[in-house]
Amino acid sequence: DARVTQTPRHKVTEMGQEVTMRCQPILGHNTVFWYRQTMMQGLELLAYFRNRAPLDDSGMPKDRFSAEMPDATLATLKIQPSEPRDSAVYFCASLRGVTDTQYFGPGTRLTVL
Amino acid sequence: AQSVTQPDIHITVSEGASLELRCNYSYGATPYLFWYVQSPGQGLQLLLKYFSGDTLVQGIKGFEAEFKRSQSSFNLRKPSVHWSDAAEYFCAVGAVNDYKLSFGAGTTVTVRA
Repeated sequence: DARVTQTPRHKVTEMGQEVTMRCQPILGHNTVFWYRQTMMQGLELLAYFRNRAPLDDSGMPKDRFSAEMPDATLATLKIQPSEPRDSAVYFCASLRGVTDTQYFGPGTRLTVL
Repeated sequence: AQSVTQPDIHITVSEGASLELRCNYSYGATPYLFWYVQSPGQGLQLLLKYFSGDTLVQGIKGFEAEFKRSQSSFNLRKPSVHWSDAAEYFCAVGAVNDYKLSFGAGTTVTVRA
């Protein structure tokens, strides 16, 4: 049963610290998404990649967030420096083709104190 | 750009009763439509999807949804809910040849005994 995996599942950090979240998409899925979920804003698309190239990162605060795909099996989302307002659940999702289904990972729950 | 409205923030239903969750979308062409479910602390799981063809779509866990173009709706139904159906439900819309999905704000379903 192929799944999207995310690490860590939980992260508590202090304001100003760097946070890195990792995602392993399903093998063969070449489109990867990063979402952020909060009570106030709901589910927001931050960025997504196709064949490791960024297609859209307009939803991401550019000054502190960065997303990369070093290789086809790893996507990273980095926040530097982190702020309390970044506290949220961050989801990664992957899909194979435009008519395919996005499969979501279990999320990383980030708390910035 | 496409958008989704889920008019009901919270629905309470008795176990064994029927359930209907509303979803209205805005998109100029034929949309791709999805329903996802999120249990507490979990990622999003696909219940069903509509791309084309039969407008009544069957999904997992006994759910179905009907695409009504004239009403721009894609409502989710289940004839008899189980306590395990308590979760948050998200409707999403995608566009042809676009990998992105736009999610609604979600509807939280509470099941009472």
